[in-house]
Amino acid sequence: QVQLQESGPGLVKPSQTLSLTCIVSGDSINNGDYYWSWIRQPPGKGLEWIGYIYFTGSSYYNPSLKSRVTISVGTSKRHFSLKLSSVTAADTAVYYCARWELQSEHFLHWGQGTLVSVSS
Amino acid sequence: SSELTQDPAVSVALGQTVRITCQGDSLRVYDASWYQQKPGQAPVLVMYGKNSRPSGIPDRFSGSNSGNTASLIITGAQAEDEADYYCNSRDTSGNVFGGGTKLTVL
Repeated sequence: QVQLQESGPGLVKPSQTLSLTCIVSGDSINNGDYYWSWIRQPPGKGLEWIGYIYFTGSSYYNPSLKSRVTISVGTSKRHFSLKLSSVTAADTAVYYCARWELQSEHFLHWGQGTLVSVSS
Repeated sequence: SSELTQDPAVSVALGQTVRITCQGDSLRVYDASWYQQKPGQAPVLVMYGKNSRPSGIPDRFSGSNSGNTASLIITGAQAEDEADYYCNSRDTSGNVFGGGTKLTVL
């Protein structure tokens, strides 16, 4: 059973870069059946898809965030990462990693989420 | 990128049937998936594809699709179904979520 776990700083200063890692257990990112994804949820608001990456390194990003986002796969193929640059208070959110099932097109497995606050 | 539109709030009497809808151009091409989220918890997949339920999701949950509209139907709503519900689909940029519907069970 695949499990996903987000990790990273809970507090980032404005204008800096937010960096998070999703540790994957029970599966390998080399599995070509999935996209590995980041999704966020500002406090009291809805879900927002940030982007996802395929094991080949091909990545797809939300157009509204594309200029600031990079998603990459770790060399061990057991984790993938999110970098969001030039953050502001509007980037304060719970950040989730999740696995997108390519054939049946849904997110079945999610991490528990991690709250990242942007504040000086 | 495209958008998915949901009613912000819906209510249903205990034991009655409720339909939660999601509209968007991407739904003419791609199937919707639906997620239930309770306070402080990660979203949980409740419906996907034409009308498929993951293991462990009660059969009172069903789905339908027509044109640019996808629906999540709860037949015989229970108190534990009170939650936020989000639709989702692929789109030309990658992926998109609806704004969410808060379901209240009266």
